[in-house]
Amino acid sequence: EAGVVQSPRYKIIEKKQPVAFWCNPISGHNTLYWYRQNLGQGPELLIRYENEEAVDDSQLPKDRFSAERLKGVDSTLKIQPAELGDSAVYLCASSLVGESSYEQYFGPGTRLTVT
Amino acid sequence: KNQVEQSPQSLIILEGKNCTLQCNYTVSPFSNLRWYKQDTGRGPVSLTIMTFSENTKSNGRYTATLDADTKQSSLHITASQLSDSASYICVVAGGSGGSYIPTFGRGTSLIVHP
Repeated sequence: EAGVVQSPRYKIIEKKQPVAFWCNPISGHNTLYWYRQNLGQGPELLIRYENEEAVDDSQLPKDRFSAERLKGVDSTLKIQPAELGDSAVYLCASSLVGESSYEQYFGPGTRLTVT
Repeated sequence: KNQVEQSPQSLIILEGKNCTLQCNYTVSPFSNLRWYKQDTGRGPVSLTIMTFSENTKSNGRYTATLDADTKQSSLHITASQLSDSASYICVVAGGSGGSYIPTFGRGTSLIVHP
C-alpha cells in the first residue's frame, strides 16, 4: 500500500516569492494534517481537514498561508509571500478518522529553504 | 499551556547497550500518549500508544511506560542497533468532545555507534 506522498521533497526560493506543497494521503483516509517542523523541534500542527472541511486551522498564519483539500483527497498548502522564518520541513499526515486513537501516517515532508 | 518536555535532548550510546528516554507533560485533559521514531529526512512513525489506564506497552525492543499520576512517560530501548539512530518524539493528545489536539515534544536525538 502506498504511503502518504508529498512533493516536492525540497524547495529553495527567495523571500517574497510564493511556494506550494502538495500532499496525497493514504487512500480511504478522511483526515489530513499539515505540520511545520523547525530544525530540532517537534512538528507543529498547522491545519487539520475532515474530508473537505478544515476543522482546525487555529495555528495557520492566515495572512500568508492558505490550504485547500479539493474533493476531500489531495491537499495543497501555499505560502505567499514566503519569509525567511518560513524555512522548515512541512509534513503532511493522514489518518482513517480524525481522533487521536487512530494512527497518523506521515509523509517524508518538503524541506523549504527561503533565502 | 499544554507542554511536552523531553530529555535528554541528545544521547550517544554504543551498539548493544540499553537506553531510556524521558517525557514529562502538562497536557489536560489527557487522551493518550504516543512515541514516534523519526529517521533523518523521513516523517515520524508511531512506535507505541498508551491511554490513561495503560502503564506499559511494548513493540519489539521498544518498551514505553506511562505514569498518569506524575504525568511522566519513558521509552526504553533494549539491545540497541545502529538502525535505532533517529529522533524519538513524545506526543500527548488532549482535548475533549472528539477533538484531537496533539502536543509534540522536541524529541530526543539518539545516535548509536558501532
